[in-house]
Amino acid sequence: AQRVTQPEKLLSVFKGAPVELKCNYSYSGSPELFWYVQYSRQRLQLLLRHISRESIKGFTADLNKGETSFHLKKPFAQEEDSAMYYCALSSNEKLTFGTGTRLTIIP
Amino acid sequence: DTGVSQDPRHKITKRGQNVTFRCDPISEHNRLYWYRQTLGQGPEFLTYFQNEAQLEKSRLLSDRFSAERPKGSFSTLEIQRTEQGDSAMYLCASSFRDWNEQFFGPGTRLTVL
Repeated sequence: AQRVTQPEKLLSVFKGAPVELKCNYSYSGSPELFWYVQYSRQRLQLLLRHISRESIKGFTADLNKGETSFHLKKPFAQEEDSAMYYCALSSNEKLTFGTGTRLTIIP
Repeated sequence: DTGVSQDPRHKITKRGQNVTFRCDPISEHNRLYWYRQTLGQGPEFLTYFQNEAQLEKSRLLSDRFSAERPKGSFSTLEIQRTEQGDSAMYLCASSFRDWNEQFFGPGTRLTVL
């Protein structure tokens, strides 16, 4: 069965510092991975997906099949990045989510 | 607002009562999903529909839970004989069949007293 692990429940980073949110997965097939974000009082929304290889709001994530990881990175944190971040794996049309990391950017 | 909508946004009920939630997906989307999220956890898959057909149900979905999407548009999720363990946020999402991005609604927060 597939599993997504986000080892950090909470992460605090100073404004302007680099950010890395960790995500590891276990899945026997070829994974399709996503990062979803939930800002305060807003609904869950897609941040990025690995197949598009885009940079959204300065965030990037690279799929590393050898390490089964899909870490989310941003070189310079901004205050508006404070939010809850969920890593998710898609299989058989449904998403399996990690438990999420609450990112707080310290001004 | 053309996004996914859910009604009600909050529901407080007593143990043993039945509750029903509604989800209206984005109009062109043929897939509709239900998830449940408890405190400190990520959303957990419950069930999904392609048009009006319910294609998969999670083992989390006990016999007290039933979901329908009668005309392939809106969906309802009913919980019978609610228990305190049913207290959670119930999320609905929709997507196109061939595009895996799921768009989420605001959720219905259920509290069972």
